[in-house]
Amino acid sequence: EAGVVQSPRYKIIEKKQPVAFWCNPISGHNTLYWYRQNLGQGPELLIRYENEEAVDDSQLPKDRFSAERLKGVDSTLKIQPAELGDSAVYLCASSSVRDYPYEQYFGPGTRLTVT
Amino acid sequence: AQTVTQSQPEMSVQEAETVTLSCTYDTSESDYYLFWYKQPPSRQMILVIRQEAYKQQNATENRFSVNFQKAAKSFSLKISDSQLGDAAMYFCAYRSERGGNMLTFGGGTRLMVKP
Repeated sequence: EAGVVQSPRYKIIEKKQPVAFWCNPISGHNTLYWYRQNLGQGPELLIRYENEEAVDDSQLPKDRFSAERLKGVDSTLKIQPAELGDSAVYLCASSSVRDYPYEQYFGPGTRLTVT
Repeated sequence: AQTVTQSQPEMSVQEAETVTLSCTYDTSESDYYLFWYKQPPSRQMILVIRQEAYKQQNATENRFSVNFQKAAKSFSLKISDSQLGDAAMYFCAYRSERGGNMLTFGGGTRLMVKP
């Protein structure tokens, strides 16, 4: 079974530029999560999707961040414009409501560097 | 809101020895899950062990075991017979049973294994 796929693995951009991250969850997983992990810290949830609906986006900085999961499968997280403080690892995870105890499986993440 | 604290930024252990990583958490809930995740340099979060709060018996997975003290809100991880491949960041995480499946992570402990 393929795991959670994320691309790109690394991205370096200048501040004020846009950037997008892509995530493909494990097949059949209805719940998808985006986390941000700052250097030396634990991940923090940005947004959670149940199928195509964003059900928890309270930690998403909506002035510059957006996300979508149009068909309830893969998802894109976008930052526009990027700021220096956005440098972090962006992790995607997925889980299934059919698989108690609903373990989250993580992808390898995208390391973003904003210069 | 729940908080998770890992008071040891770094730990070191000799190969084949035993090491214990500490974690405390704060919650007013009675039903929840606790997890230990391992994050190697590849960045992929890997579930090490899971503990349901309603279970009194401490969880064990091969060389990994936990000491769950519900009243003290303490959840430590013991790694026996440490191996070089155990070197990584370890994160303690909390998940409420109220719904949402959201993980709250601690700040992490870097484990170094000396040959």
